[in-house]
Amino acid sequence: GNSVTQMEGPVTLSEEAFLTINCTYTATGYPSLFWYVQYPGEGLQLLLKATKADDKGSNKGFEATYRKETTSFHLEKGSVQVSDSAVYFCALSDRNYGGSQGNLIFGKGTKLSVKP
Amino acid sequence: DAGVIQSPRHEVTEMGQEVTLRCKPISGHDYLFWYRQTMMRGLELLIYFNNNVPIDDSGMPEDRFSAKMPNASFSTLKIQPSEPRDSAVYFCASSIDLSGFRNEQFFGPGTRLTVL
Repeated sequence: GNSVTQMEGPVTLSEEAFLTINCTYTATGYPSLFWYVQYPGEGLQLLLKATKADDKGSNKGFEATYRKETTSFHLEKGSVQVSDSAVYFCALSDRNYGGSQGNLIFGKGTKLSVKP
Repeated sequence: DAGVIQSPRHEVTEMGQEVTLRCKPISGHDYLFWYRQTMMRGLELLIYFNNNVPIDDSGMPEDRFSAKMPNASFSTLKIQPSEPRDSAVYFCASSIDLSGFRNEQFFGPGTRLTVL
């Protein structure tokens, strides 16, 4: 079945450090890939997405590249800020050509804490 | 747009009581999702609707849980009778559709349920 595996947290970084959160997936067909972010006390919100191989999603300084050969979609940011402290979820939407579209499948989330 | 609206934001009840959670999706969104989030199990999809019709309820834990969507602007998730293990944050989300590029789910702020 389809699944998403992301690195376990928590991840603690100092401000301006480089961030990588690993995400790998297993899917049939041609999935779209997403990163969602959940700030404390809030619901999830879309951070970025990529719909085909080699696409790069980017937003707010975060980016992730859809790597079909390694089935990965790692999240990166060059210089994190305290305000980036949140839980980050990797997700996929399985897309079957000629068939019904898929729902989102989420990873377990990675908590990021950024210290000043 | 006000986004996805959920009520109540917090609910504390005693074991055995009936609990009803409410959701108003974003206008024009054809898909509505109910999720449950706990520390142990992460984010779980309970059920989702398309055009007010339940499509997949395989995530509903047991018969104590039921969900309805009487019209395009309102959905309820009911737990009867409630148990302490139902304590979690329940999220409602809506989406325009499930096709890869437009499969962005917009989440509500969640309802934190505590069953004593």
